[in-house]
Amino acid sequence: AQSVSQHNHHVILSEAASLELGCNYSYGGTVNLFWYVQYPGQHLQLLLKYFSGDPLVKGIKGFEAEFIKSKFSFNLRKPSVQWSDTAEYFCAVKIQGAQKLVFGQGTRLTINP
Amino acid sequence: DAGVIQSPRHEVTEMGQEVTLRCKPISGHDYLFWYRQTMMRGLELLIYFNNNVPIDDSGMPEDRFSAKMPNASFSTLKIQPSEPRDSAVYFCASRPGGNTIYFGEGSWLTVV
Repeated sequence: AQSVSQHNHHVILSEAASLELGCNYSYGGTVNLFWYVQYPGQHLQLLLKYFSGDPLVKGIKGFEAEFIKSKFSFNLRKPSVQWSDTAEYFCAVKIQGAQKLVFGQGTRLTINP
Repeated sequence: DAGVIQSPRHEVTEMGQEVTLRCKPISGHDYLFWYRQTMMRGLELLIYFNNNVPIDDSGMPEDRFSAKMPNASFSTLKIQPSEPRDSAVYFCASRPGGNTIYFGEGSWLTVV
């Protein structure tokens, strides 16, 4: 069965620091990839998604992610974080043609002002 | 569009009581999903529907859980009887024929 691993459970950064959150998945076929963000007490919101084409995708709020097929990875990046980026971030994978979206365990990001 | 609407937003109930969570998907979306979020297990897919028909309920933890979708604009997730380990945030989500899922704000359930 497909699975998604987010290696960092809790990341603490200062404002203006650069961010990279890791995401690896286990499935050899074609996948659709997503990053969702969950602000404290709120629902999940889509940050960005990859279906095909350019492996570097840009999302909202200055986030981007790079799909590296050979590494089964889809890491999330932001060059300069803000205090308002404090949230939990979820990587998710869907096998193309299937309906299930499988989530990683999430990474809690804390930004200190 | 109003987005996916869930109710109640918060519920505290006693062990053994029946709990019913409700969801109104985004109009026109063919798929509806119920997810559960806990600290221990993260986000788990419980069940999903396509055109009101349950397609995969393999994530439903046990017989105490049941879900229905009587029409395209309404779904329920019922727990009977509830137990403390059912305490979690339950998210309903919907999507059209494409690939992006839209989540509701969640129902925060506490069973004491």
